[in-house]
Amino acid sequence: EAGVAQSPRYKIIEKRQSVAFWCNPISGHATLYWYQQILGQGPKLLIQFQNNGVVDDSQLPKDRFSAERLKGVDSTLKIQPAKLEDSAVYLCASSLARYGQPLGETQYFGPGTRLLVL
Amino acid sequence: EDQVTQSPEALRLQEGESSSLNCSYTVSGLRGLFWYRQDPGKGPEFLFTLYSAGEEKEKERLKATLTKKESFLHITAPKPEDSATYLCAVQAYRGNTPLVFGKGTRLSVIA
Repeated sequence: EAGVAQSPRYKIIEKRQSVAFWCNPISGHATLYWYQQILGQGPKLLIQFQNNGVVDDSQLPKDRFSAERLKGVDSTLKIQPAKLEDSAVYLCASSLARYGQPLGETQYFGPGTRLLVL
Repeated sequence: EDQVTQSPEALRLQEGESSSLNCSYTVSGLRGLFWYRQDPGKGPEFLFTLYSAGEEKEKERLKATLTKKESFLHITAPKPEDSATYLCAVQAYRGNTPLVFGKGTRLSVIA
């Protein structure tokens, strides 16, 4: 079974530039997540999609970050304009989770995109 | 607010020297506690899910246990290839709450 795919794997940009990341989840997974992982920290959720609807974007800096999930499959995360503090690894994860499911559903992570903002 | 604290931050073991990693959590109703392994430059790799106090799961040299306040990841006779950062995360039982991660424990196993 293919895992979660992400691209690009690395990106270096200057502050105030724009950048976009792409994610293809595991086939059949209804829920897709974008996390930000700063060096030395655990991942922090930015946004969660159920199919192509947003479930939780409470921690997404909406003045500069945006995300969409096309037809309930692939997703893109965009930063415009980037700041120095956006340097981090951006992880995409997916799970089978359906809304209201009683037990925590395992999330499977992609390899991440490492962003460096200069 | 849901919180996860992992200790120690870093652990250095000799090959074959067994030890335990700790994950203390506070959450209003636990839906699940998750252990992941993360190698440098890679995304977290799923290890275990625990749902209720008293539950235990094993995989090769790893064994995860759960109480109402903490979880332990026991590593028996570790090998150098067990070197990685081990992340603990909890999910609360309300709505579609996100995983809340700890900062992880960096494990180094020396041959």
